[in-house]
Amino acid sequence: AQSVTQPDARVTVSEGASLQLRCKYSYSGTPYLFWYVQYPRQGLQLLLKYYSGDPVVQGVNGFEAEFSKSNSSFHLRKASVHWSDSAVYFCVLGNSAGNKLTFGIGTRVLVRP
Amino acid sequence: EAAVTQSPRNKVTVTGGNVTLSCRQTNSHNYMYWYRQDTGHGLRLIHYSYGAGNLQIGDVPDGYKATRTTQEDFFLLLELASPSQTSLYFCASSASRGRDEQYFGPGTRLTVL
Repeated sequence: AQSVTQPDARVTVSEGASLQLRCKYSYSGTPYLFWYVQYPRQGLQLLLKYYSGDPVVQGVNGFEAEFSKSNSSFHLRKASVHWSDSAVYFCVLGNSAGNKLTFGIGTRVLVRP
Repeated sequence: EAAVTQSPRNKVTVTGGNVTLSCRQTNSHNYMYWYRQDTGHGLRLIHYSYGAGNLQIGDVPDGYKATRTTQEDFFLLLELASPSQTSLYFCASSASRGRDEQYFGPGTRLTVL
């Protein structure tokens, strides 16, 4: 069985502040990990993905994520947020066979001006 | 650019009614998916397909049928709609099942009264 936990349902930050969104996964094999973002009234869009190699992966719009096998985590970060980063962020886990995806419940981010 | 479109964008029906949600992708992707999104659950997979005429059962298939008529078109059918099926429905496509980016449509908001 595989699962994804996003422990923070909502995060509020001020514009210009840093942001970290937490993601923990449970899976016995080699994971494929993704972060997607959902802007208001839109579908999900890929921010970044990790398969192997450098545990820090860069994504779009200044986002990056760090994979930790020892902690079973894949946290998302951004150094300085903009009001347009207000959205829902989903952590997604794929299995090694490439035939199952598990979505976290999402973290809603509100950036205050 | 990859494109997934859905229609209608909003639908209201009554309990016991018939509803068909449509999805078209112009990405030449083999895989297409139907998800529902509900608060506290993230995205849950209803059905998916890896080509015309193919249908695979997802994680929450009860009460739903689906049909893939062409590589481009994937339909979700609710033959006896119930209030528990009130949700936001997303269609997505991808080149492979669990390792490639999924491209999402804008969503269809369905209300069953």
